[in-house]
Amino acid sequence: EPEVTQTPSHQVTQMGQEVILRCVPISNHLYFYWYRQILGQKVEFLVSFYNNEISEKSEIFDDQFSVERPDGSNFTLKIRSTKLEDSAMYFCASSLGSSSYEQYFGPGTRLTVT
Amino acid sequence: GNSVTQMEGPVTLSEEAFLTINCTYTATGYPSLFWYVQYPGEGLQLLLKATKADDKGSNKGFEATYRKETTSFHLEKGSVQVSDSAVYFCALRSITGNYGGSQGNLIFGKGTKLSVKP
Repeated sequence: EPEVTQTPSHQVTQMGQEVILRCVPISNHLYFYWYRQILGQKVEFLVSFYNNEISEKSEIFDDQFSVERPDGSNFTLKIRSTKLEDSAMYFCASSLGSSSYEQYFGPGTRLTVT
Repeated sequence: GNSVTQMEGPVTLSEEAFLTINCTYTATGYPSLFWYVQYPGEGLQLLLKATKADDKGSNKGFEATYRKETTSFHLEKGSVQVSDSAVYFCALRSITGNYGGSQGNLIFGKGTKLSVKP
């Protein structure tokens, strides 16, 4: 069964460094999402992406964040200058269509900023 | 804005016990409601969903009924198994309210960790 994959499973970085979290969505899916979960808190929407552009973003997704689909298979989330409060589990998801379609989630990348 | 509140865990039950995990929501419009499950080391998986009032979603012995009058979507299972040990997330999707996009981004509760002992 096709699945969403994410790498790495755990990333440790120093404050101020740039990180790139990688996701490979299901191959025929068209909509891509990033969510995050700070330990003990809710899973929060960050951004959705369709047709090679951001279709929606939350207030969390500020100028330090960017997303890209560089090669037609990967979907990346870049954090330019990490802060301690960026430490969280980051989930990628993809769906075949928009609102009525199921979103399939990857296993997550745990980002630890020290 | 739209939000989801679910009961905090962890919840520890013996095998074959009855499970209820409470979930209530606040939303504008008419959201769709979901339960996702996350097994250790895996991603979030859709467990069940309901798209309108009084709908009952069911899967793998789990059920939840969309109650508009009480704005609730409680998850129940009559007899849990050790293999049900996981974190359960209640979520809603609405095309109005938060972000309002047609992509219908999911809004989650905090998650409830369930441990079932043999």
